[in-house]
Order: sequence, then structure tokens, then C-alpha cells
Amino acid sequence: SSVLTQPPSVSVAPGETARITCGGDDFGRGGVHWYQQKPGQAPVLVIYFDRDRPSGIPERFSGSSSGNAATLTISRVEAADEADYYCQVWDTAGDPHAVFGGGTQLTVL
Amino acid sequence: QLQLQEAGPGLVKSSETLSLTCSVSSVSVSSSDYYWGWIRQPPGKGLEWIGSTYYSGNTYYNPSLKSRVTMSVDPSTNHFSLRLTSVTAADTATYYCARHIRQWLVTHYYYGLDVWGQGTTVTVSS
Repeated sequence: SSVLTQPPSVSVAPGETARITCGGDDFGRGGVHWYQQKPGQAPVLVIYFDRDRPSGIPERFSGSSSGNAATLTISRVEAADEADYYCQVWDTAGDPHAVFGGGTQLTVL
Repeated sequence: QLQLQEAGPGLVKSSETLSLTCSVSSVSVSSSDYYWGWIRQPPGKGLEWIGSTYYSGNTYYNPSLKSRVTMSVDPSTNHFSLRLTSVTAADTATYYCARHIRQWLVTHYYYGLDVWGQGTTVTVSS
């Protein structure tokens, strides 16, 4: 079963670029999805299948994947971007199942 | 616009069965395009996928919960449901329902979650 590793926290100043990574040893051949969760709210999909952005998500959010890691990049970070971010893959080894990373808390300084 | 809404008891006694439903608006749960999923989040912790269900009855379950989980779709009410048996304090969490998106690649479908309900908090009491 896939294990997805995220840094527990990332800090960035407003206007700078935040990069949140998600790594695994048998990684995301079917794509990685990223979710933003603000306190007391449900998660919101911000990137799906590595790099696609749902309607309503700012272009400042982008995704990439290479080798055994994926990256969520947030350009021109704003205070409103402060949240927990989770990556997720669909693991087809054995019984197919979803796997979430442990989450990264993004702090806007 | 698609909306999902969880419903169920906020308090369940230890060793009993947790039952939740998710009401879906604007899209039929019988659509062949979508699986429907349940995800939970213990207080202060990360997200855990519980499982997913399809109108045909096909299901995928988290291997660690499989022996206690049952999911189904009810087209007559446009709901889908979750049953988790023999609950303990470790099952205390906010439970979310969500819709899956999917993409076919080579030999498999791969799934993400594009629309989520607001979540419902379930506490397991002793």
C-alpha cells in the first residue's frame, strides 16, 4: 500500500511562492490530487490528476509530478491561503483504495 | 450545483453501529459516471478514506476498516450510506461524504474527490 509523505509544515511570506511536496515509493501512476482544508471546514479540491485545476480555483495554484514526488505550488501567496493541504492518490495494488498524505500546515507569515 | 449533506446521530455508544447517510442534490447517485465516498478525520488529525460505493453495488473499502464497513447507494432517495459496526473511541471523528472523479489509465480507473459535504461530527461514548 502506498505511503505518502508530506512535510508537517511550510511557512512563507505573503507574495512569495509556497511549495508543498508529496512523496512515496510507489508513486501516483494514476495522478495526485491536492486538497485545501481551512479550520472548521471541509476539504476543497485544488488540483486533480497532477496538474488540473477545478473551476473557481485561482491560477496561483498549480501542480506537478516527477518520479516519486508531486508538488503543489502556490504563487503570490495570500493570507487566505493559510490552511492544511493534503495529497491523495488511488492505489491499485491489491484491493484498490485511496491514500491520503499526512497533511501540511501552510503558515503565511 | 451539486451539494452533499451528511446526516446521522452525533453520538454512538461503544460497540454499537454507526450509520450515516449522504443526501445528494443535482446529480443522480445512479449515474454511471460517479463513485461516492466516505472520508473521516479524527479531532486534530489528518484525513482517512473509509471507502467508496457505486450504484451497481460495487464497493472499495479501506483495508484497515473493511471488516466493519458496509456502503450502499439508494436511488429511490438519492442518498448513499455508511455503516460502521463495533465502534470504539478510535472511530470518533468528523465524517465527510464526497463524490469521486475518475480517469482511465491503461488498465485501471484512478479516483479523486471533487465535491465534499460539510461533514458531521460523530462521538463514540463508552
